Amino acid sequence: DADVTQTPRNRITKTGKRIMLECSQTKGHDRMYWYRQDPGLGLRLIYYSFDVKDINKGEISDGYSVSRQAQAKFSLSLESAIPNQTALYFCATSKGPRQGTLYEQYFGPGTRLTVT
Amino acid sequence: GESVGLHLPTLSVQEGDNSIINCAYSNSASDYFIWYKQESGKGPQFIIDIRSNMDKRQGQRVTVLLNKTVKHLSLQIAATQPGDSAVYFCAESAAGGTSYGKLTFGQGTILTVHP
Repeated sequence: DADVTQTPRNRITKTGKRIMLECSQTKGHDRMYWYRQDPGLGLRLIYYSFDVKDINKGEISDGYSVSRQAQAKFSLSLESAIPNQTALYFCATSKGPRQGTLYEQYFGPGTRLTVT
Repeated sequence: GESVGLHLPTLSVQEGDNSIINCAYSNSASDYFIWYKQESGKGPQFIIDIRSNMDKRQGQRVTVLLNKTVKHLSLQIAATQPGDSAVYFCAESAAGGTSYGKLTFGQGTILTVHP
């Protein structure tokens, strides 16, 4: 079974719709991240959470919001989707200081989102 | 406005050759570096990492070299195989402050291995 899962894997939605992408992990990691990947632009950080009570903006947080419902779950919302949010979205996890600090992040399989 | 994708650097090699993928970083405060491999349709997978107090680290068929003087990182893959074909990303992180635990990713390099 995959350690980091994302749902849905593919989604097509219309401009202006609200959409939520979900991420779950069984690794027991404290830290979770949402990234966006566009062709030729690598991975850019949208939001991250270092524990259940902690939410932080990344470099491209405008137009997105997140919720850390539990240690294992971190969801990303697009309140009003627009076409330039069409991209591949990845969730990732990593250990936190109480778990032995490591920077290595473990990625989910990705969600391909198309906004028409 | 609409974002324009950049053309990724590419590297084509023959099966059995050694591959060298390069990465330049800009933050002199970065103290941790990591290489990821991303196959088509999958999320990035960890390959190898290195801390700034080292200049070389070896794994299975892979070696990472770090030159802090010129802020350059490289990934060497020995005896490259078709299964090594993927996009390779370097990432960096700086200890302490608001950057602690966050990774900044490079653009990526496409490696194609020909049988």
